[in-house]
Amino acid sequence: GENVEQHPSTLSVQEGDSAVIKCTYSDSASNYFPWYKQELGKGPQLIIDIRSNVGEKKDQRIAVTLNKTAKHFSLHITETQPEDSAVYFCAAIDMDSNYQLIWGAGTKLIIKP
Amino acid sequence: KAGVTQTPRYLIKTRGQQVTLSCSPISGHRSVSWYQQTPGQGLQFLFEYFSETQRNKGNFPGRFSGRQFSNSRSEMNVSTLELGDSALYLCASSRGQGEESETQYFGPGTRLLVL
Repeated sequence: GENVEQHPSTLSVQEGDSAVIKCTYSDSASNYFPWYKQELGKGPQLIIDIRSNVGEKKDQRIAVTLNKTAKHFSLHITETQPEDSAVYFCAAIDMDSNYQLIWGAGTKLIIKP
Repeated sequence: KAGVTQTPRYLIKTRGQQVTLSCSPISGHRSVSWYQQTPGQGLQFLFEYFSETQRNKGNFPGRFSGRQFSNSRSEMNVSTLELGDSALYLCASSRGQGEESETQYFGPGTRLLVL
C-alpha cells in the first residue's frame, strides 16, 4: 500500500519570504496528490492538487511541483502572509484501496511578522 | 452547493458512555470518510463508506463503528468511551467513483471531550 512522509513538521518563515513543504510517496502508481490547509478550529480545506500527468500547477501565490521519478511532490507558497499560518497536509491516492487518500503527518507553518 | 455538515459540533461525555456523530455529505457525493484528529496529531483514518457499504477501514478497535444510509448520510458510533477518545472527529465526502472523483471535502468536525 501507499505510504506518505511529510517534512518538515514545523516551518517558521518571515512574512514575505517563501515556504516549501515536501512530501514523498512510495507507490509509483499513485496519480493524484492534493494539499490541504487546516486553520485552527476548522476542518482541512483543499488548496491545490496535481495529477501525475503534469509536473507543476500554480494558483496565485501557491504552486505544487511533482517529480514522479523521485516520487516526491512539494508545496510552494510565495510572498507569505500572516493568514498563511496554518497546518498543511499532503496526501496521495492508494490505487490498491479503492482510491483511499493516504495522508502525510502535517506541517505547522508559522509566519513571523 | 451546501458543504459537508456535521452534528453536533461539540459534545461532552463520560467514560463508559457511547456517542453517535452524524455527517451529511455534499449533494451527489456517495463516499463518506471519517477521521480522528487529536491535538497536534495528523489525520487518523477510521473508515470509509460508499453506497451504504464500508469500503476501507483503518486500524481502530471495534468500539468504533459506522454506517451509511441510502441518502449517503453517515453516522459513526463509539461505544464504551475512553479518555483517549477525546478528539476532533472529521468527516469528508467525495463522489467516490474513481480516479477523477476522489477529491475529499471536509466538514467542520465534531469536538468530543470524554471526562
